This record gives sequence, C-alpha cells and structure tokens, in this order.
Amino acid sequence: QLQLQESGPGLVKPSETLSLTCTVSGGSISSSGYYWGWIRQPPGKGLEWIGSIYYSGNTYYNPSLKSRVTISVDTSENQFSLRLTSVTAADTAVYYCARMGTTTVTLDYWGQGTLVTVS
Amino acid sequence: SYELTQPLSVSVALGQTARITCGGNNIGSKNVHWYQQKPGQAPVVVIYRDNNRPSGIPERFSGSNSGNTATLTISRAQAGDEADYYCQVWDSSTVVFGGGTKLTVL
Repeated sequence: QLQLQESGPGLVKPSETLSLTCTVSGGSISSSGYYWGWIRQPPGKGLEWIGSIYYSGNTYYNPSLKSRVTISVDTSENQFSLRLTSVTAADTAVYYCARMGTTTVTLDYWGQGTLVTVS
Repeated sequence: SYELTQPLSVSVALGQTARITCGGNNIGSKNVHWYQQKPGQAPVVVIYRDNNRPSGIPERFSGSNSGNTATLTISRAQAGDEADYYCQVWDSSTVVFGGGTKLTVL
C-alpha cells in the first residue's frame, strides 16, 4: 500500500523559507505515469494546489505562487520536497503531499498533512 | 485562469439524494474529479474522470458532467457522508480546485 508522509518544521518565521519533505513508501517515486505534488489548506479554508513534479524533474507550478516555489525530487531517497520563500502569515496552512496520475490527473494518494504556522 | 464555482453549502435529509454542483466554462470538455474531506483528514477521491468510482467507494456516489456544470450525486445520504466536497480539473498544466461545498445531512 502506497504511503506518503510529510515532514518538516511546524513553525516558520515571517520572511523566511518554508521547507517540507514528502517520503514515499510502498512504491517507487520513479514509477512512470505519476506526478508528485503539494497542496495546502489554510485553516477553515479550501484546497490550493502548489505544484507538482515528475520523477525526471519536470515541474508544474501554481502561477500565483510560482515566483516563490521550488519543488524538487530525490529518487535515491524516494522523496520530493517543497521550498516556499518569503513566507507570511497567509502561508499558514496544512500542507499535503499527494500522488497524481499523469493520465487520470487525479490525486489518488495523499499524506496525512502537516500544519505549518508562520509566526 | 480557469475557475470552478461550487455552492458553499448543501443540505440533505437522511436517506434522500444530495446533488453538489461544480460550474466552469465548458467544463463538460474536461475530466472532473471529486474529493470528500472529513474534519482533520486528508481528502479522498470519490469520483474520477466525471463518473468513475475508485474501489471502496459506495455505488451511492455518482457523477455527471455536461456543458458548464458537473454534478456529484449522493444517493440515500447517510450521516457518514457529512463532509466537505471539492471538485477538481486539470487546465493549462495546472490543478484547479473548486472552493468546496459543505454537505450537511439532516
């Protein structure tokens, strides 16, 4: 059974960089046919896609966040990571990592989510 | 950028049918996916590609998509169906979510 687990600091200071890692187990991040991505959800609000990456390194980003976001992949560790620079209180959210099929474009496996507070 | 519009809330009596809509320009030409999210949990896909159910999702969940509106239908609504529901499409190499609908089962 595929599992995804987010990890990283739960508290980040304003203007600093938020960094999270998603570790994939029960399957290979190098499997063809899947993107690996990040989605966030501010407290009490809806879902916002941040971006996705293919194991080859091809990336897609939300245009509204693109200038501050970098998603990278480490196939040797079966992990992918998120960096979000110059954070503000508006970046406080639960951050989820998820797998998305390249043909279905459905987010079929999700991590449990991790709350990151900017303060 | 592409936008998806959902009602903020929908109410349904226990055992009746709930319909949650997702509006978008010519959404019928896109594949629409639906997610259920219960408090404190990650979203779970309940319908993919307009009208397909993943394994483990009850037949009570169904979807349709035509013109400018996609619809998630929940038949014989149960208390356990009470949750937030989000529609999602892929447009111009981006993932787009609707704003979400809170389903209340009365």
